Amino acid sequence: DAGVIQSPRHEVTEMGQEVTLRCKPISGHNSLFWYRQTMMRGLELLIYFNNNVPIDDSGMPEDRFSAKMPNASFSTLKIQPSEPRDSAVYFCASRPGTGNYGYTFGSGTRLTVV
Amino acid sequence: GQQVMQIPQYQHVQEGEDFTTYCNSSTTLSNIQWYKQRPGGHPVFLIQLVKSGEVKKQKRLTFQFGEAKKNSSLHITATQTTDVGTYFCAGLTSGTYKYIFGTGTRLKVLA
Repeated sequence: DAGVIQSPRHEVTEMGQEVTLRCKPISGHNSLFWYRQTMMRGLELLIYFNNNVPIDDSGMPEDRFSAKMPNASFSTLKIQPSEPRDSAVYFCASRPGTGNYGYTFGSGTRLTVV
Repeated sequence: GQQVMQIPQYQHVQEGEDFTTYCNSSTTLSNIQWYKQRPGGHPVFLIQLVKSGEVKKQKRLTFQFGEAKKNSSLHITATQTTDVGTYFCAGLTSGTYKYIFGTGTRLKVLA
C-alpha cells in the first residue's frame, strides 16, 4: 500500500498563476479530504468528498479555490489566480467510509506564492 | 462553532522526562483521535477513543478520554528524542462527520 500520494511535493509560483495540486487516495477509501496547514491557522478543512461527490466545501476560502474528484482514485485542488496568502502546506487525506476511522494523510504539497 | 484547544502550545523537556498535552472541546464529543506530526512531515494517526473515561496505552503513550467526553489527554512517559513533533487531537461531534483538529502541542526533547 503506497499510502495517499500527493504531487508535487513543492511548488513555487508567481502571484496570479494557476496552481493545481493532485492527490491519489488509498484504494478502497471512499472519503477524501483536502486540508491546508499554516502556522497561524493550523489545520483547516477545505473540502470533503464522499464517493467522489463534494459533501462540504464550506472551508474553501473563496472562489479562487476549486476542487474536483473525477473518479475514486484522483482528486485535484486548483487555485486560480494564486496569491501570496495562499502559501501553505496542502494535505490530502483519505479514510474508509464515514465510520470512525483515522485519516491517512499524504506527504503534502508545500506551496509558495511569490 | 465548535472549537478544540490544546495546551500547552509548546513544551520543551529533557530526555527522560514525562510530557502531557491536554485537549479541550467546547462541545461534547462522540469520539476523539490523536495524531503526531514530525517536523516537516504529515500527521500520522495514533489512536481513537470512543468511550467516556476510556484509557488506552501504546508503549510509553497513554491516552485518556474525559468522563464528560469534552476533554482528552496524551501522556508520554520518559520521553525520547524520537518523540519530537506536534501532537494534535481531533474531535468529532455526534451527528457530524467532520473532525475538528486541535491547535496542536509542539514537543521538543532535549538530549
